[in-house]
Amino acid sequence: RKEVEQDPGPFNVPEGATVAFNCTYSNSASQSFFWYRQDCRKEPKLLMSVYSSGNEDGRFTAQLNRASQYISLLIRDSKLSDSATYLCAVNENTGFQKLVFGTGTRLLVSP
Amino acid sequence: NAGVTQTPKFQVLKTGQSMTLQCAQDMNHEYMSWYRQDPGMGLRLIHYSVGAGITDQGEVPNGYNVSRSTTEDFPLRLLSAAPSQTSVYFCASSQLAGVLPTYVEQYFGPGTRLTVT
Repeated sequence: RKEVEQDPGPFNVPEGATVAFNCTYSNSASQSFFWYRQDCRKEPKLLMSVYSSGNEDGRFTAQLNRASQYISLLIRDSKLSDSATYLCAVNENTGFQKLVFGTGTRLLVSP
Repeated sequence: NAGVTQTPKFQVLKTGQSMTLQCAQDMNHEYMSWYRQDPGMGLRLIHYSVGAGITDQGEVPNGYNVSRSTTEDFPLRLLSAAPSQTSVYFCASSQLAGVLPTYVEQYFGPGTRLTVT
């Protein structure tokens, strides 16, 4: 089993839709979690950290479920510019950011 | 600030050739790392460093060497290129965080696209 797993998609949604991605992790000792966004042929960029209490940033909401070992990303009111690949990343907390990444979920938002 | 820079952007090598991928950051970050990204495999950690003079292996270190003589630079050396090393290589850096859990942002360079024929 992979350490961090994501549905590769693509998720095809119309503008304005709400879409959610999940990411499961296998190491129960993992402590910090992240969502990165990667545009085609570009480097990943941090979208959100995922705190244990859940957090929201505008149209984006991230949640952590430790019991079931998954994190989620909810995007409301999807925009064309949200089209990208969303990578989840998990850190086992060795004191530095030694991240394990999922393979990414591709989102396509259409007019 | 330039952030994390990588050179070259593109490279084609023949099997058996060696080369060095350059990575530099100007944010005074202690932690630097190298990933490779392949279709269906995601980002995989090759090597990482928590400071000048300290390096360690990641998930897929075979065929690669690193050194960290300065805080700013973290070059990745391919000793004898193989077609299996055709990939996109990303360098990343971040601060070290003293308090756990750590939530520092990891900054990525723009990547080097390497083809080995």
